[in-house]
Formats: sequence, C-alpha cells, structure tokens
Amino acid sequence: EPEVTQTPSHQVTQMGQEVILRCVPISNHLYFYWYRQILGQKVEFLVSFYNNEISEKSEIFDDQFSVERPDGSNFTLKIRSTKLEDSAMYFCASSAPGQRNQPQHFGDGTRLSIL
Amino acid sequence: AQKVTQAQTEISVVEKEDVTLDCVYETRDTTYYLFWYKQPPSGELVFLIRRNSFDEQNEISGRYSWNFQKSTSSFNFTITASQVVDSAVYFCALRDVFYGGSQGNLIFGKGTKLSVKP
Repeated sequence: EPEVTQTPSHQVTQMGQEVILRCVPISNHLYFYWYRQILGQKVEFLVSFYNNEISEKSEIFDDQFSVERPDGSNFTLKIRSTKLEDSAMYFCASSAPGQRNQPQHFGDGTRLSIL
Repeated sequence: AQKVTQAQTEISVVEKEDVTLDCVYETRDTTYYLFWYKQPPSGELVFLIRRNSFDEQNEISGRYSWNFQKSTSSFNFTITASQVVDSAVYFCALRDVFYGGSQGNLIFGKGTKLSVKP
C-alpha cells in the first residue's frame, strides 16, 4: 500500500540553525500538509499546500517556517532559525483529490530535537 | 469555533474487556467530516475511519465500531474484546472549514491513551 515517507526519522540541531524536513507524499495525492506534535500533546496543524502554493496556515507557521515542493515529488518544511520550542514530532500528510472526506495519510514523522 | 474534545485522558483495561473512547465536537458547518486516528507507541499516525455528517449510519469493522450521534455531537469509538496490540493513543479529528484550494485541515482532540493489560 502506498505510504507517505519522511526523512530523517530523527534530527538533532543546535538552536539557531536551519533545518529542512523532507517528505515524499503518496504519488497521486494533490494536497499536502505539515502538522506538529509537541511531546505528550495533541497534533497541531501548521500548513497546507495545493497547486504549488500555501492554502492555509496556522498561527504557529510564522516567518521562520517555509514549505516547498521543489521537484514534483518531495515536499519540504524549512525552519530558518530553530528555537528550543520547535522541538517536536513533525508529521507530513497528503490526501487524494476529491471531497473533504478524503482522509489525510500521515508519514511516520520526524522527531526534531533542538539543543 | 471548531473544537474536538476527548475528555478521557487515559483509560486502562484488561485484555478482552470492551472499551469506548468518547469524542465530542463543535462546529458551525452544516457539512463536516470526522476521523479517528491511532498512534501506537512507535509514534506514527494511522487512519482508522472517516464519517460524513450526513451519514449517520454506525459502522463496524471487526472489533472496532463507531457510534455517530449528530444530536449530541459525538463520535464515539468502541473496541470489543480489547487486545494488548490495541494499546495506543487514539485521536478524534474534525475537518475544518473549507477554503478555496484546500480540503481543510484537521483539528485534533488531545487524544485518549488506551492501555490494554494482559
């Protein structure tokens, strides 16, 4: 069964450094998302992406964050200057074209640890 | 505002017991979509089921069943004859308001941690 792939599974970065999290969505999906989950807390929406542009973003997704689909298969999340509070599990998700009842399929996540 | 409440933070049962996970939602949409996801200890999020607001039929899939009650804004999840492998955090989620060019993001509840002991 096709799945969403995320790399790396764990990223350790010094505060202030830039980090790029990578995702390969399911191939026929057109809608892409990033969510984050701070340890022990609920999953929070960051951003959605469709037709090569951001569709929606949350308050969390400030100027330090950006997303890109550079080559038609990868979908990346960049954090420009990481802060301690960026430590979390980051999930990429994708969904198929169609109505809003299409489920979002999640990758296994990237655990980001900021030191 | 859209909101999902999972009042049960943790539930512990013994194997073979039935267990129900509660989910209450708030939305102003007349059409909306609800989902359940499972997060096992390994951390990934696994899609379990979706429900459209206009389809009030309850659903059963093996040991899993879902009870959607529009009148009480609830979408509860029951595991029958629980097993140790069911131990996970279960999240209920609501599909947000539709914006042009988007299917809408998911609003998650805080999750219920289910521990099934042998």
